[in-house]
Amino acid sequence: DADVTQTPRNRITKTGKRIMLECSQTKGHDRMYWYRQDPGLGLRLIYYSFDVKDINKGEISDGYSVSRQAQAKFSLSLESAIPNQTALYFCATRQGRYEQYFGPGTRLTVT
Amino acid sequence: GENVEQHPSTLSVQEGDSAVIKCTYSDSASNYFPWYKQELGKRPQLIIDIRSNVGEKKDQRIAVTLNKTAKHFSLHITETQPEDSAVYFCAARGSYIPTFGRGTSLIVHP
Repeated sequence: DADVTQTPRNRITKTGKRIMLECSQTKGHDRMYWYRQDPGLGLRLIYYSFDVKDINKGEISDGYSVSRQAQAKFSLSLESAIPNQTALYFCATRQGRYEQYFGPGTRLTVT
Repeated sequence: GENVEQHPSTLSVQEGDSAVIKCTYSDSASNYFPWYKQELGKRPQLIIDIRSNVGEKKDQRIAVTLNKTAKHFSLHITETQPEDSAVYFCAARGSYIPTFGRGTSLIVHP
């Protein structure tokens, strides 16, 4: 679906650098999520937001921060990247009691 | 919080066989149970879901069953095909956020 997009799609960065991953959606959904995927560990929730003024920590929020700039935009920041943050990152959206829609993912490598 | 366990982590079958993936959950308040399929290099996509007021749901070759008493639910794929090869995730959701299982890598051999 082109209606949930993530930028960049791939990023290589160095330890200690600040990096921002962006998510945009045209689905009009109020709820947005950031997940991290590591092999064998499934999808783990980093942060979620139910509307522009609502930000909540997930199970693995340490080392990450987020910003909900508008209903359609939800950004994830790594203030000082470290190698164990190397992973595949997914943004997802949801409206009400319906399913989640995932973005295409951002593959982040921290060297 | 919710805890979802998924088994097996890897499942290898011959084309045409059936495949079953099982999940258990801990929070009796969970009422929505989706299953996602993730092909290599792609995003997870919903393939089937079930709500707690239903015991079974089918969609062509896939079905999901739910046992609320035992707190477990399963994905059944019949007549497997090579294109069914992917990672499958179960999830359980109560009021707000879903919790995902760790995934099952299904390999269908031609």
